[in-house]
Amino acid sequence: GAGVSQTPSNKVTEKGKYVELRCDPISGHTALYWYRQSLGQGPEFLIYFQGTGAADDSGLPNDRFFAVRPEGSVSTLKIQRTERGDSAVYLCASSPDVRDTQYFGPGTRLTVL
Amino acid sequence: AQSVAQPEDQVNVAEGNPLTVKCTYSVSGNPYLFWYVQYPNRGLQFLLKYITGDNLVKGSYGFEAEFNKSQTSFHLKKPSALVSDSALYFCAVSLSYNTDKLIFGTGTRLQVFP
Repeated sequence: GAGVSQTPSNKVTEKGKYVELRCDPISGHTALYWYRQSLGQGPEFLIYFQGTGAADDSGLPNDRFFAVRPEGSVSTLKIQRTERGDSAVYLCASSPDVRDTQYFGPGTRLTVL
Repeated sequence: AQSVAQPEDQVNVAEGNPLTVKCTYSVSGNPYLFWYVQYPNRGLQFLLKYITGDNLVKGSYGFEAEFNKSQTSFHLKKPSALVSDSALYFCAVSLSYNTDKLIFGTGTRLQVFP
């Protein structure tokens, strides 16, 4: 079946701009996660949704970052006033339930000039 | 605080030889342990996990890992390496009572030479 998909695959923006990154989880998966992977590092947790609600957003670095999942399926990660330090690969994962294996999408590479 | 260590940035092995990629963890409760593999320009692919039970876990593509509670380790192994196994490998841990997030190591690049 179809895996987790993320769009766009690459995003180049200028410092100060607003960006939205989209994640389509595996159909039927109730849990959805966002991670950020900087060059040479492992992924770092940002936020986790169970259904429509953000169950844990402790990994969001500051209030410029926000994520939504209004219908319990597709999720959008929103970054305001982007900074060069936001440049990274943003990974989305989904799992059938909170205690299940997380399956990752291919990621969105964000470059802030 | 929970953490995962992958002490080797790179592991080199000849095709056909056994391989080991090391992982140690530090958590305050019972861990769930995972291995993922990342190929260039692709997302993380799940290999295997340890939740409970048998300490030796078998996963995809002939990989296995052994959970050692006394040494707080979860090393990834394969009896006979393939060139196609060359990739970036990540160990990750979550807590049995708080499984909403995975904590990843920094990754180990495996290079299998023909």
